[in-house]
Amino acid sequence: QVVLTQSPSASASLGASVKLTCTLSRGHSDYAIAWHQHQPERVPRFLMKLNGDGSHTKGDGIPDRFSGSSSGAERYLTISSLQSEDEADYYCQTWAVGIHVFGGGTKVTVL
Amino acid sequence: EVQLVQSRVEVKKPGESLKISCRTSGYSFIYYWIAWVRQMPGKGLEWMGTISPADSQTTYSPSFQGQVTISVDKSISTAYLQWSSLKASDTAIYYCARFGEASSANDFRHWGQGTRVTVSS
Repeated sequence: QVVLTQSPSASASLGASVKLTCTLSRGHSDYAIAWHQHQPERVPRFLMKLNGDGSHTKGDGIPDRFSGSSSGAERYLTISSLQSEDEADYYCQTWAVGIHVFGGGTKVTVL
Repeated sequence: EVQLVQSRVEVKKPGESLKISCRTSGYSFIYYWIAWVRQMPGKGLEWMGTISPADSQTTYSPSFQGQVTISVDKSISTAYLQWSSLKASDTAIYYCARFGEASSANDFRHWGQGTRVTVSS
């Protein structure tokens, strides 16, 4: 069964960049994932679908500051020019027939 | 515009039943599976189960199999999540989400605003 692993926390200064990692478990390195942003007291928001080759499809209205990339079993979300509103939990999600899985989430703090 | 509208707050006592709804609009309801996701206080997102509105085929996370029932009413483009006997541990926010593509497994592209369920005596 596929498992997604995320670091619990990350931080960076206002205006800087932060790169989040989501690692797929052994045997599932070709899976696509989705990145979701969940701001406090808000609805989760789909950021992008990210394929194993690094190609991605962004959600409507997602700023260019959010980008995705892939390397082997790792899927990345890079947030550039960090803004205060980027402070949130970020979850990766993947799927196969009959199953959907979330990573544990990474809490991003903007310093 | 795709919209998923949920009732906002439910307060129940242990042992009571509950059925929460996710009313959709802005697309052809039968073509996209709907998922339900739980977020317990201070915890992350957990997939509970999914349903195909076309034929009501369901898949459940093993953690939720037998604990909840997911259903749809095609005539009003609405999905449901129900409990027959609530426990205090069911206190959480429950989100519905629509798949991004018309397949049986996919990303959660569109989210409802969540239903906050509190179970307390």
